[in-house]
Amino acid sequence: GAVVSQHPSRVICKSGTSVKIECRSLDFQATTMFWYRQFPKQSLMLMATSNEGSKATYEQGVEKDKFLINHASLTLSTLTVTSAHPEDSSFYICSAQNTVYNEQFFGPGTRLTVL
Amino acid sequence: GDSVTQMEGPVTLSEEAFLTINCTYTATGYPSLFWYVQYPGEGLQLLLKATKADDKGSNKGFEATYRKETTSFHLEKGSVQVSDSAVYFCALRADSNYQLIWGAGTKLIIKP
Repeated sequence: GAVVSQHPSRVICKSGTSVKIECRSLDFQATTMFWYRQFPKQSLMLMATSNEGSKATYEQGVEKDKFLINHASLTLSTLTVTSAHPEDSSFYICSAQNTVYNEQFFGPGTRLTVL
Repeated sequence: GDSVTQMEGPVTLSEEAFLTINCTYTATGYPSLFWYVQYPGEGLQLLLKATKADDKGSNKGFEATYRKETTSFHLEKGSVQVSDSAVYFCALRADSNYQLIWGAGTKLIIKP
């Protein structure tokens, strides 16, 4: 199979703190990973495309200094929400591109709540 | 640019009813088309896909046919179950890259 994990599944933090979310492809290597944000009752919004060993490509309107993405290995990408504020509260989902199956596999998501 | 439009929900049906969730797309070239499902409290899962015109994707009793002439990829199931209650997303992937373009999602509620 092709499994993608995310950690943590749920995090609550105080305003002004930073939070790191990990995305791992457990049984395949992924040169490309994606980070999405999902608002309640809304579709997925692509935030950035993460390529192993290079800088992430951010979508228009996404602050790269606020949402730091690091893809240091073929199985791990991290999203750090810096100086989080209540408006950053959301459901963050990662996916990893599996070139063998030629499709994206999704993590279970991380629910971030900023107080 | 490329886009996906799917019917707004929620869609509420009784068990064993026939299901159709409409999805139309706008794209240049020859995109691949996907239906993903998100069950309550779970991550997105690929339900089915089609990579070229007239292909039919099928899985778990669900079907969708890639119709290039009507730029559609409607999801159908002949007899829904309570366990089919979920949010369904239609998506396309351009033939030039890995990015997925998403529809807004349709929440499906099946009542016993």
